[in-house]
Amino acid sequence: NAGVTQTPKFRILKIGQSMTLQCTQDMNHNYMYWYRQDPGMGLKLIYYSVGAGITDKGEVPNGYNVSRSTTEDFPLRLELAAPSQTSVYFCASSGGGEQYFGPGTRLTVT
Amino acid sequence: KNEVEQSPQNLTAQEGEFITINCSYSVGISALHWLQQHPGGGIVSLFMLSSGKKKHGRLIATINIQEKHSSLHITASHPRDSAVYICAVRSMVGAQKLVFGQGTRLTINP
Repeated sequence: NAGVTQTPKFRILKIGQSMTLQCTQDMNHNYMYWYRQDPGMGLKLIYYSVGAGITDKGEVPNGYNVSRSTTEDFPLRLELAAPSQTSVYFCASSGGGEQYFGPGTRLTVT
Repeated sequence: KNEVEQSPQNLTAQEGEFITINCSYSVGISALHWLQQHPGGGIVSLFMLSSGKKKHGRLIATINIQEKHSSLHITASHPRDSAVYICAVRSMVGAQKLVFGQGTRLTINP
């Protein structure tokens, strides 16, 4: 099993550009999450999903969108990137109470 | 006040020392997680516990539900233990969402 995979690992965006962060898990987990991690701060939940076709906002959803068309995939879309979205993004899935994290995407918006 | 507070925020020790990191939380939980993040690295789960104590190698995690407090101990610390240790609590209601502490940066000097 590959677990949770994320692409890309790094990305630099210009202000106003858009992009999609990809996340895939092969553990057949229903629960999936997107977090952002800012320096010196704890991880913050952006969006989560409890199953295919069902998504909901977390603590910091503004500026992001998600979709969940399959159990495996949970992409995060950034529209009109802003410098405040410079962060490290982690995708995770949950099964049996445990959370499994992807390797992260380091995004810089300049 | 954050729902999850860790102390200390930074800890530097010599190889071989006994390490304790503390986590206090203010909400009802179904479980508490200890996570490890190496510099520039991904996040891995060390422990998930809802009562008592768990041990894995040189790491020990304890939780006191009544006092809403957990500790992570590292015995015979080693430079490879240098990492950020994150406490996270899982709420009692829906979606297995986690709320994270801000992390404790541990540095073990040889």
